[in-house]
Amino acid sequence: DTAVSQTPKYLVTQMGNDKSIKCEQNLGHDTMYWYKQDSKKFLKIMFSYNNKELIINETVPNRFSPKSPDKAHLNLHINSLELGDSAVYFCASSLRGRWEFFGPGTRLTVL
Amino acid sequence: AQKVTQAQTEISVVEKEDVTLDCVYETRDTTYYLFWYKQPPSGELVFLIRRNSFDEQNEISGRYSWNFQKSTSSFNFTITASQVVDSAVYFCALSEAGRTGGGADGLTFGKGTHLIIQP
Repeated sequence: DTAVSQTPKYLVTQMGNDKSIKCEQNLGHDTMYWYKQDSKKFLKIMFSYNNKELIINETVPNRFSPKSPDKAHLNLHINSLELGDSAVYFCASSLRGRWEFFGPGTRLTVL
Repeated sequence: AQKVTQAQTEISVVEKEDVTLDCVYETRDTTYYLFWYKQPPSGELVFLIRRNSFDEQNEISGRYSWNFQKSTSSFNFTITASQVVDSAVYFCALSEAGRTGGGADGLTFGKGTHLIIQP
């Protein structure tokens, strides 16, 4: 059983479109995150949700909006996609910061 | 603010050599966790180790070993008798107790070290 799963694995879309990436964890963790890995492989946190409450919202454009319907899911909605949004997006989950497991990543390509 | 520095951008060695990846961190918290992750060419992030700030014991797992020294704020990773399959990008990361006190601030990553093992 996959601990942290993301869909889709690949996403190719045109500039200006709106898209969503879904994430689910079956570990019973209380915190979920979204990270962005840019073309230089640099990983940076975007959002953190603890028990369905937004904890961290780093300097991310408001075109990006996380949605957490329950503790096991954290989806990422992106409006009006831009070329610079092309990256790999990783979902992760943790239990009080002691463990952090990552999903397989979603490679987003904006044309 | 927290910071993780991996000064080695790329390391290339010949198979069977030992190699050490350096990691230096900065934090004002007394409670924190340090991690190493491996990212092979396939792209996934593979968890290797977690160490909390109160446990300075070195750890060995097969060919991998980690040296945590609070005095120098370092958490270095050594691969003994390297193999081609060790070729990957390796990330060091830091998690603090943070603003919530519960570690929900997530990980601060170093920029990664690209390790190339030549046959």
